[in-house]
Amino acid sequence: SQTIHQWPATLVQPVGSPLSLECTVEGTSNPNLYWYRQAAGRGLQLLFYSVGIGQISSEVPQNLSASRPQDRQFILSSKKLLLSDSGFYLCAWAKGQGSYEQYFGPGTRLTVT
Amino acid sequence: SQKIEQNSEALNIQEGKTATLTCNYTNYSPAYLQWYRQDPGRGPVFLLLIRENEKEKRKERLKVTFDTTLKQSLFHITASQPADSATYLCALGVGTYKYIFGTGTRLKVLA
Repeated sequence: SQTIHQWPATLVQPVGSPLSLECTVEGTSNPNLYWYRQAAGRGLQLLFYSVGIGQISSEVPQNLSASRPQDRQFILSSKKLLLSDSGFYLCAWAKGQGSYEQYFGPGTRLTVT
Repeated sequence: SQKIEQNSEALNIQEGKTATLTCNYTNYSPAYLQWYRQDPGRGPVFLLLIRENEKEKRKERLKVTFDTTLKQSLFHITASQPADSATYLCALGVGTYKYIFGTGTRLKVLA
């Protein structure tokens, strides 16, 4: 069966510090991978998606970046965090052409102070 | 502009009744629509997918309808239970790989 991992679960970082969140998927190959952010009481905002190694599509211009160094690994990064980067970050994977359901990880709660 | 709207207010219903949640969208032409359940502090969990050429889909106590003319989906939970209390999100499939989520409706089922 497939599983998706995210770490860390919670993170408190000062403004201006760097960020690296990692997501890995097990039990499937060549998944589509996604990063979302959910602000308090808000919906999910799509940040990045990837359909293959090294292929990243950015949805929202901001100070975040994503990379996919391996088939089942997706990394979200920032060089300098802003207060507005606080939120609940969710990684998800989906099969095939995008008409399949998404499976979400447990999320990372990021607080920028 | 493109918009997805779900009931912004929380929905409280009595146990055993049918809960109906609404998802309206404008300026999208989704090939499919999905519904997810999200519990506090957790990632969303997929419930149902309905394609643009389908009018209705059922799974156990859940039913989804999709009206592309009205640009609306309705999500029903019959014989609701307190364990159904959660936030429910609709998501539009736009393009080949993209999903756009609504803000969700918080459902509370009262015992």
